[in-house]
Amino acid sequence: DTEVTQTPKHLVMGMTNKKSLKCEQHMGHRAMYWYKQKAKKPPELMFVYSYEKLSINESVPSRFSPECPNSSLLNLHLHALQPEDSALYLCASSALLREGTDTQYFGPGTRLTVL
Amino acid sequence: LAKTTQPISMDSYEGQEVNITCSHNNIATNDYITWYQQFPSQGPRFIIQGYKTKVTNEVASLFIPADRKSSTLSLPRVSLSDTAVYYCLVGDKRIGGYNKLIFGAGTRLAVHP
Repeated sequence: DTEVTQTPKHLVMGMTNKKSLKCEQHMGHRAMYWYKQKAKKPPELMFVYSYEKLSINESVPSRFSPECPNSSLLNLHLHALQPEDSALYLCASSALLREGTDTQYFGPGTRLTVL
Repeated sequence: LAKTTQPISMDSYEGQEVNITCSHNNIATNDYITWYQQFPSQGPRFIIQGYKTKVTNEVASLFIPADRKSSTLSLPRVSLSDTAVYYCLVGDKRIGGYNKLIFGAGTRLAVHP
C-alpha cells in the first residue's frame, strides 16, 4: 500500500479561525513533508519531519504550525491565516532508506480557501 | 541542488510517443534524476528515477546520456489520460536523511484526440 491520505479534501476558513489539516500514512515511512502549491505553480516545500523530529522549516510564517504526533501522522495547524494562504496543501512521506533512493509519495492534498 | 530546465508546454495526439527533455547542467555526482506526474488538484505521482543510461518501467522510459547534463522522459503511445504536468527533479540521496525535492516549473503536456 503506497497511499498517503489527507483530510479534509476541502477547507474554507475565515482569517480568525483555527483549523488543522491531517495526513496519515501506513507504509512505515520515517520522513513526512508538507508542501504548499498555488494554482499553476510547482509545489513548494514547507516542513520536513524525520523520525518525528522537525528537520526543516523553510522559513514558513508562524501562523502555520506543524505537528508529528507519531510516525504515521502529520498535522498542520492553521491560525490567523491570510487570503494569500489559499492553496493546495500536500503531504508526502518517504522511507528514509539507507541504500538506493528515497522516493516521496504524495497525498491528494487539501484545497484551502481563506476568506 | 541542480537547477532544471524543461519546456513549458507540449502538445501531442493519442497513440504518439512523447519525449520530454530536461536540462540539468550543474548535476552533481551523487544526484539522481526523478520525474513526477501531476494531475489537476492531485498530488504529484512518482513516475521514474535513474542515475545513468536507460531505465524502463511499466509507465515510461528515462534516457540519460553519459554526461548526465540532460535527461529525456519517454511516454509510449500516450492517451488522453496522460494529460498532466510533468516535473523533472534532480537531487541527492542523503544517507540516513530526507531527500529535499525542489520542483521546477514543469512541462504541461496536453494530449489531443
